[in-house]
Amino acid sequence: DAGITQSPRHKVTETGTPVTLRCHQTENHRYMYWYRQDPGHGLRLIHYSYGVKDTDKGEVSDGYSVSRSKTEDFLLTLESATSSQTSVYFCAISSSGGAGNNEQFFGPGTRLTVL
Amino acid sequence: ELKVEQNPLFLSMQEGKNYTIYCNYSTTSDRLYWYRQDPGKSLESLFVLLSNGAVKQEGRLMASLDTKARLSTLHITAAVHDLSATYFCAVDGTSGTYKYIFGTGTRLKVLA
Repeated sequence: DAGITQSPRHKVTETGTPVTLRCHQTENHRYMYWYRQDPGHGLRLIHYSYGVKDTDKGEVSDGYSVSRSKTEDFLLTLESATSSQTSVYFCAISSSGGAGNNEQFFGPGTRLTVL
Repeated sequence: ELKVEQNPLFLSMQEGKNYTIYCNYSTTSDRLYWYRQDPGKSLESLFVLLSNGAVKQEGRLMASLDTKARLSTLHITAAVHDLSATYFCAVDGTSGTYKYIFGTGTRLKVLA
């Protein structure tokens, strides 16, 4: 299995509080992604990173920010959590582009509940 | 806007039967991925299809890609209960962006 961990694995928080989720990889992969999974929506991309300090928005980026100061860590921050951000969050990694197949490997997920 | 549609969304089938899951996408892409997710678990990569006409097989599952039709299929042969899961297809985003767009998933239940 690809070396991807997420922390915390479960979190319950209150509306308006800041929350940071961490994704850590040991594969030295260039690309890292944050998705959220909600019933009826599949996985939706929040943000992704293509290198240290290089990030870009996905399709549902409002209310989220990310940072990547080291290759191995990708942080997702909810500046002021809302109930609509209750979801399961998955981190994923993939190798570089070009001739590679860009297969993604997923972390175990973080279940976030915003009350 | 790139869209990825799967059908059916739900599939209940008897053991031993064959069936096909379809994945349509709305833009040109020559990379398509299939994943499996068991309830409460993460996603597991099944197939990576990298070119038109690509076909991959693993056990009772076979995936194919037709980039001209913007269609991928996941064919299940002689289903067994262990194949019960949710299956997702995903397309690599517009050229060079590596933004993946996922379908909404097909929840498969194989009845004994």
